[in-house]
This record gives sequence, C-alpha cells and structure tokens, in this order.
Amino acid sequence: QVQLVESGGGVVQPGRSLRLSCAASGFSFSSYVMHWVRQSPGKGLEWVAGIWHDGSQKYQGDSVKGRFTVSRDNSENTLYLQMSSLRAEDTAVYSCARAGRPYEPAVGMDVWGQGTTVIVS
Amino acid sequence: SYVLTQPPSVSVAPGQTASIICGGHNIGGKSVHWYHQKPGQAPVLLIYYDSDRPSGIPERFSGSNSGDTATLTISRVEAGDEADYYCQVWHSTTSDHQVVFGGGTKLTVL
Repeated sequence: QVQLVESGGGVVQPGRSLRLSCAASGFSFSSYVMHWVRQSPGKGLEWVAGIWHDGSQKYQGDSVKGRFTVSRDNSENTLYLQMSSLRAEDTAVYSCARAGRPYEPAVGMDVWGQGTTVIVS
Repeated sequence: SYVLTQPPSVSVAPGQTASIICGGHNIGGKSVHWYHQKPGQAPVLLIYYDSDRPSGIPERFSGSNSGDTATLTISRVEAGDEADYYCQVWHSTTSDHQVVFGGGTKLTVL
C-alpha cells in the first residue's frame, strides 16, 4: 500500500545538524512533488520545504531558509531533509507528505507519514 | 508572506452544520485545500482545489472559496468529526513558491 515512513529524528544540541529521511513505497515516487511539514508540540502545521518530482526545484519556508535543505533520491524512493544550525524552536514532529497528483505542486497533500520527532536541546 | 487566518475554535451540536472559515487576501484567486487532524494522527486531506473530495471522504464535507474567505462546511456533524481543521494554499510570487497553512480550528462537538 501507499506508505511514507520517516526516520532520523532524535535529540540534538543547538547549532548542530541532523538529516531526516522519508522512505516511500507503493507508488511511483519519481512522479510526485514531496513536502516536509512540521508540528511543534501543541501547535499547528507548518510547511518546511517542498521539492519537485525530479528535484529540479526546491522551496523552503521562511523560518528555515538558509538552514534546511530538501533533496530526494528517486532511485531509492527516498526524500531527505538536511537540517543545520538547529534552534530550540525547530523542536517538532517532522512529517513528509505527498502532493496529491503527479507533477502538480499546488494540489493538496494526500499521503502523510506518521512523523519523526526532533528535539533541539 | 501570505497569511491565512482561521478562528481558533468552533462548536456545534451533533446533527447540525459546522462552518469553518479561512481568511486570506484574495484567497478566492487561489486553490484551497482542507485537512483534519485527530490527536496523535496524521492530517487527512478532506477537500482539494476548493471543493473536490478525495475518494473515501463523505459528502458531508464540502468547500467553497470566494473573495477573501474560503469555507469548509460539515453537514450533519458527528462526534467523530471532532478534530483540528486546517486550510492550506499554494502561494506563488515571481521568485518563490510556498505552501501556507492556516493556524487551525479546533472543532468541538457538543
């Protein structure tokens, strides 16, 4: 079945780096725009970054620009989020999500992973 | 950056209709997507492109979008609809693209 599974979260000190992964299965990963979305404890959803199906375009939210980089390996069906210069306010559950139609970045996200927790302390 | 505004909370009795609004400058010119999220669970896409429903989403959920307000309407509300609801748009400028979420609305079923 269609599935996204995140990994790589943990406890990290401020200023350090961490790389998250999102393993996709059950669909043609290379055809879909993918996103990272985070949720701090008790807070709402915050978009972190998105990447085109072929990796040709990448966009980040204002709060992570210059610090986080999204990438993908379509041969491995895996999405990545490289996080650097981490801050306490980056503490959140990070989830990957699929844009709901092939090749369409602006459509809603129809498949979500359960998330991986990052604690910056 | 583009801002989406939602009321923090909405309350409704079972069987009644709930309306959750999402405000943004000329949001009617954008496509709006809606999600709900129950505690400890991943968000679920309810409505995409203003008013389309993914397969498996009941017809009780509908959406509209015009002017500066988009609306999610839930008819015949059930206890199981109690959740946080989020609107979302794709915001494009000449040099950037961003996904924007509203702050979320907690729906309480009385």
